[in-house]
Amino acid sequence: DAKTTQPNSMESNEEEPVHLPCNHSTISGTDYIHWYRQLPSQGPEYVIHGLTSNVNNRMASLAIAEDRKSSTLILHRATLRDAAVYYCILIGNQAGTALIFGKGTTLSVSS
Amino acid sequence: DAGITQSPRYKITETGRQVTLMCHQTWSHSYMFWYRQDLGHGLRLIYYSAAADITDKGEVPDGYVVSRSKTENFPLTLESATRSQTSVYFCASSENTQNTEAFFGQGTRLTVV
Repeated sequence: DAKTTQPNSMESNEEEPVHLPCNHSTISGTDYIHWYRQLPSQGPEYVIHGLTSNVNNRMASLAIAEDRKSSTLILHRATLRDAAVYYCILIGNQAGTALIFGKGTTLSVSS
Repeated sequence: DAGITQSPRYKITETGRQVTLMCHQTWSHSYMFWYRQDLGHGLRLIYYSAAADITDKGEVPDGYVVSRSKTENFPLTLESATRSQTSVYFCASSENTQNTEAFFGQGTRLTVV
């Protein structure tokens, strides 16, 4: 699977938008972009995923660059509960692929 | 209740003992996964399974054995536990690996003394 690059950490204030970047310059045309997050002392949870078009759900938005070499997870109004490690993961269409987690971005949210 | 459950939640075992961690999902998802997470580190894939009786190695399979005789269960066995296997273990399931979300269990905290 192609690799991703994320900043180690980011800070935000409560109720402000947060833009979490992810670079994936070697992405292939069939790789899906997934985002997961892990809150302290919990298992990872799915946030959002997309292929080419921007995606929205109740948790977040995913903005995918036109060349697909980068993407941004957008939390529209950060809350204290959004403090977590956010992982950007690429998934190919080969048989037997699995989620491989990198180091992710640790998001801190201040009140 | 629908979901994915791991048991036990906490386990202390001695070096050299065999221990099995259980994972059960109620959705009949095709794929199941085992990860370990060491203190202050990210998740590493141990083994995964695409269907009953089909398993594949992940990033760190040494010292672990898995089986999948039924779609809903995916036990992970440490045949002879070592202190380096002290970790938090997460199980996950998904319908496919590319275009659907994976659901994670609450984790099993294993301590090998």
